[in-house]
Amino acid sequence: EAAVTQSPRNKVTVTGGNVTLSCRQTNSHNYMYWYRQDTGHGLRLIHYSYGAGNLQIGDVPDGYKATRTTQEDFFLLLELASPSQTSLYFCASSNWGGAGQNTLYFGAGTRLSVL
Amino acid sequence: GDSVTQMQGQVTLSEDDFLFINCTYSTTWYPTLFWYVQYPGEGPQLLLKVTTANNKGISRGFEATYDKRTTSFHLQKASVQESDSAVYYCVLGTGNTRKLIFGLGTTLQVQP
Repeated sequence: EAAVTQSPRNKVTVTGGNVTLSCRQTNSHNYMYWYRQDTGHGLRLIHYSYGAGNLQIGDVPDGYKATRTTQEDFFLLLELASPSQTSLYFCASSNWGGAGQNTLYFGAGTRLSVL
Repeated sequence: GDSVTQMQGQVTLSEDDFLFINCTYSTTWYPTLFWYVQYPGEGPQLLLKVTTANNKGISRGFEATYDKRTTSFHLQKASVQESDSAVYYCVLGTGNTRKLIFGLGTTLQVQP
């Protein structure tokens, strides 16, 4: 069974704070993704990557940076957190060909609150 | 651009009722249509994938097909159970991108 682990599961920070969300996959997948989930907006893609050192911009990238350090690890960085970034964040991975054709495997999510 | 529209935001049924959820899509590429399900406290997971128009995908009692002529795809189940209560997403994938486009989701609540 494919495994994607996110940490932390919950995070509270203040406006202007610095936050790093972590994701590790042990599926040997090439593609990794960061999504945010909000009521009324569904799942929206922030950034994605097809390998270590690669970064692709998603649909809602403003205010977010991301870095893929290894095939297994993908990080989402909020350097000046704002209340609008309060959300439920999901990491996912998929195999060669990317999500357009292959199954996405999601982590359990990180709930972030920016006060 | 590519898009998917999922109109039903909330559906409430009783056990053994018939479920039907419909979505429409738009793309200039050959589509792959997915249904993902999200149970409370979990991330979404793949329920069904349909790669060929008018062919049926079947999993866990759910069926899905898509119609290229009307650019619509739907999910159905003959008899829902309380354990089927979840959020169901219709999702469009196209070969030209490495991304999926999610609908807004349909929250299914099944009452015992």
